[in-house]
Amino acid sequence: GAGVSQSPSNKVTEKGKDVELRCDPISGHTALYWYRQSLGQGLEFLIYFQGNSAPDKSGLPSDRFSAERTGGSVSTLTIQRTQQEDSAVYLCASSERAGRETQYFGPGTRLLVL
Amino acid sequence: GENVEQHPSTLSVQEGDSAVIKCTYSDSASNYFPWYKQELGKRPQLIIDIRSNVGEKKDQRIAVTLNKTAKHFSLHITETQPEDSAVYFCAASSDNQFYFGTGTSLTVIP
Repeated sequence: GAGVSQSPSNKVTEKGKDVELRCDPISGHTALYWYRQSLGQGLEFLIYFQGNSAPDKSGLPSDRFSAERTGGSVSTLTIQRTQQEDSAVYLCASSERAGRETQYFGPGTRLLVL
Repeated sequence: GENVEQHPSTLSVQEGDSAVIKCTYSDSASNYFPWYKQELGKRPQLIIDIRSNVGEKKDQRIAVTLNKTAKHFSLHITETQPEDSAVYFCAASSDNQFYFGTGTSLTVIP
């Protein structure tokens, strides 16, 4: 079956603009995770959803970042007023349930803020 | 929150030798420890995981050990092959949140 997909694959934007990143999880997976990976760095946990609910948003770097998930499926990560330090690869992953389950990663969205 | 440290950051081994990557964590509530492999330009993929009620798990050439008392866990790759070259990430999970180490870039020299 289809894996996790993300769009766009690449995004170049100007500083100050808003961007929306989309994640389509594996069908039936109730848990969805967002991570940020800067060049040569590890994975920074941003937020997770169990169904449509995000129990803890404290991992989001600033109030310019928000995420939502509707219908227990697609999720959107929005970055408002982008800054150059937001440049990174944003990875989405899904699992059958939250917690001790294998996460399947999407290919990521490479964001470049000029 | 959880803090995961991973060592070494880079590791080079001769083909056929073993490679060991170590991680420590801080939150005693963490109960799930996956390892991911990320090849250049590709997405991370799970290679092995261990839960807190188990001390060791093995899958062919890959094994993971967990010491809950010391709060550390390790990845062992035996008989390394060039295709093992990649960045490896450990992670610790508590309260459904995942905290990753900074990664180990493994190079297997033919």
